[in-house]
Amino acid sequence: EDQVTQSPEALRLQEGESSSLNCSYTVSGLRGLFWYRQDPGKGPEFLFTLYSAGEEKEKERLKATLTKKESFLHITAPKPEDSATYLCAVQAGGGSYIPTFGRGTSLIVHP
Amino acid sequence: DTAVSQTPKYLVTQMGNDKSIKCEQNLGHDTMYWYKQDSKKFLKIMFSYNNKELIINETVPNRFSPKSPDKAHLNLHINSLELGDSAVYFCASSQDTRNNQPQHFGDGTRLSIL
Repeated sequence: EDQVTQSPEALRLQEGESSSLNCSYTVSGLRGLFWYRQDPGKGPEFLFTLYSAGEEKEKERLKATLTKKESFLHITAPKPEDSATYLCAVQAGGGSYIPTFGRGTSLIVHP
Repeated sequence: DTAVSQTPKYLVTQMGNDKSIKCEQNLGHDTMYWYKQDSKKFLKIMFSYNNKELIINETVPNRFSPKSPDKAHLNLHINSLELGDSAVYFCASSQDTRNNQPQHFGDGTRLSIL
C-alpha cells in the first residue's frame, strides 16, 4: 500500500529563520510528487510537481527537492505570509492517477 | 475568476437530513473529484469522474451519491446524514487522467451535523 508521511506535524519559525519540511514516501513506481499549500478555510493550492530523483524546483522562497525515498520543501528566510499547511501527495505507477496525500505540516512564521 | 467553485461554503444540518453540495469548474478539465478532509487535515478520495463517467468509487457509504450532469459539474448528494459525516468536503479537477496532472481544488464545504 502506498504511504506518505510528512514531518514535522507542526513547525514554528521566526521570520527569516530558514528550515525544511520532509515528505517520505513508499510507493511502487513513483510517477509524480506534488506539493500543495493550504491556507485556513481554503482548498489546497498547487505549488510544484517533481518527477524524478535529483529534480529541484523553486518558487520565491520555496525550493522542492526529490530523492528516491523523500522530498524536502526548503523555506528560505520565511515571512509571516508563508504560514500555512503544506501538503505532499504522491502518484504511483500501476494505472491509478489518484494521488495519495500526506497529513501535512502546519507552518507558523512569527514576525 | 474562480476556477473551482463549491456551494454552499457552510452547511449545518440535523442528523437524518438529506443535503447536496454543488461543484463547478471553468478550467475545461475532463476529470473531477470529491475528497473528504477530516479534523486532522487528512484528504481522502471519495469519487472521481472522467468526462461524466464514474471512474473511482472508494469505500464510501452508499448514502453518498455523486452526479455529473456534464464534465464541468460534479455534485454530491448525501442521504440520511450521520454525525460522522461532519468534515470539510473538497471538490477538485485535473486536466485528465494522465499521470502527473496537478489537481485544482475548490475552497471546501464545511458540513456540520447537529
